[in-house]
Amino acid sequence: QKEVEQNSGPLSVPEGAIASLNCTYSDRGSQSFFWYRQYSGKSPELIMSIYSNGDKEDGRFTAQLNKASQYVSLLIRDSQPSDSATYLCAVRGGNNRKLIWGLGTSLAVNP
Amino acid sequence: ETGVTQTPRHLVMGMTNKKSLKCEQHLGHNAMYWYKQSAKKPLELMFVYNFKEQTENNSVPSRFSPECPNSSHLFLHLHTLQPEDSALYLCASSPTGDLSGNTIYFGEGSWLTVV
Repeated sequence: QKEVEQNSGPLSVPEGAIASLNCTYSDRGSQSFFWYRQYSGKSPELIMSIYSNGDKEDGRFTAQLNKASQYVSLLIRDSQPSDSATYLCAVRGGNNRKLIWGLGTSLAVNP
Repeated sequence: ETGVTQTPRHLVMGMTNKKSLKCEQHLGHNAMYWYKQSAKKPLELMFVYNFKEQTENNSVPSRFSPECPNSSHLFLHLHTLQPEDSALYLCASSPTGDLSGNTIYFGEGSWLTVV
């Protein structure tokens, strides 16, 4: 079982729709969760971090964490073509505190 | 423009060459990292330096040799690489070491092609 799992996509949504990106993780003791966006040919940039169960909103982005079910999701409201990128989920483990990365989900927002 | 700058952005080298990647961070952080990103693989942590001291080496082959002269600069010296080492090499920094839970910030990356 992969430690951090994401659907590779591509996830295709129309402009203005809500894009929902999901990530599951295997280490039940994980404490910190991050979403990074990576445009093609560029480096990852931090979008959101979340540490507690529930929702965290920042502009059009909402991160949702459910530790009991071991998943974290990212919602992008009013999706724009400029949101087209690969979204990487990263989870900091419980005991060794290592940051474990998923493979990323490719998102395409169609005008 | 990020607070972490990497040079060169693109590098093509032969298997017998010696080259170096350079990274500089302007964020006042104390920890710096080298990551490797290959197609269809998760980001791979290579090395971690915290306050100039190497705190992690993830079983990286010796043909990759890191150097951290101070908390703002990090180098990755490359020699006798293999074609499978072709990848995007990302430098990153964080306020303190990876184990502390800090968020890490990436540079633009150096695209390496080994021919």
